Amino acid sequence: KQEVTQIPAALSVPEGENLVLNCSFTDSAIYNLQWFRQDPGKGLTSLLLIQSSQREQTSGRLNASLDKSSGRSTLYIAASQPGDSATYLCAVNNQGGKLIFGQGTELSVKP
Amino acid sequence: GAVVSQHPSWVICKSGTSVKIECRSLDFQATTMFWYRQFPKQSLMLMATSNEGSKATYEQGVEKDKFLINHASLTLSTLTVTSAHPEDSSFYICSARGGRSYNEQFFGPGTRLTVL
Repeated sequence: KQEVTQIPAALSVPEGENLVLNCSFTDSAIYNLQWFRQDPGKGLTSLLLIQSSQREQTSGRLNASLDKSSGRSTLYIAASQPGDSATYLCAVNNQGGKLIFGQGTELSVKP
Repeated sequence: GAVVSQHPSWVICKSGTSVKIECRSLDFQATTMFWYRQFPKQSLMLMATSNEGSKATYEQGVEKDKFLINHASLTLSTLTVTSAHPEDSSFYICSARGGRSYNEQFFGPGTRLTVL
């Protein structure tokens, strides 16, 4: 059974700092991995999707990496801003097409 | 592209009533739709998977007679919470898959259900 774990559960950083969010999964047989952002009381915003054959994806200040063999992914946020404050969710797309979510990392960027 | 809408965005109902939530894919045909629920401070838990024109597949522990799912067209799926109780209060989010990005799910904005 696929399990997805995100560390840390919460993170508070000063504005401008670079930061890394971690995601690990137990079953390496995945189609892809996705990082989402969720603001309080809102739905999900897709940030980056990495196919199983890819090592990383970049969008603006965000960079996500995938090491399928070790069951790990990281989301790197450069030059963090208060507007980046949100919960970040990692989800693994299993071969059955289902998304298995981690518990999320609640990020707070202080001005 | 790949926009998914949900209606209503929030609903408050009395215990014992039924509530229907709609999920629509606005600019693509969704061969598969998924329903999730999310409790406060927790992650999303998959409730069921529905394919257009066939019965939904429910995850273990989800009561199919309580959470009725209909996926009658390629752009619409509905979730009906029957005889709702306060413990059903939650954030319900749908996602849709189809079109050119078959392996990617596109999420709706969610529906906040409060049962009094």
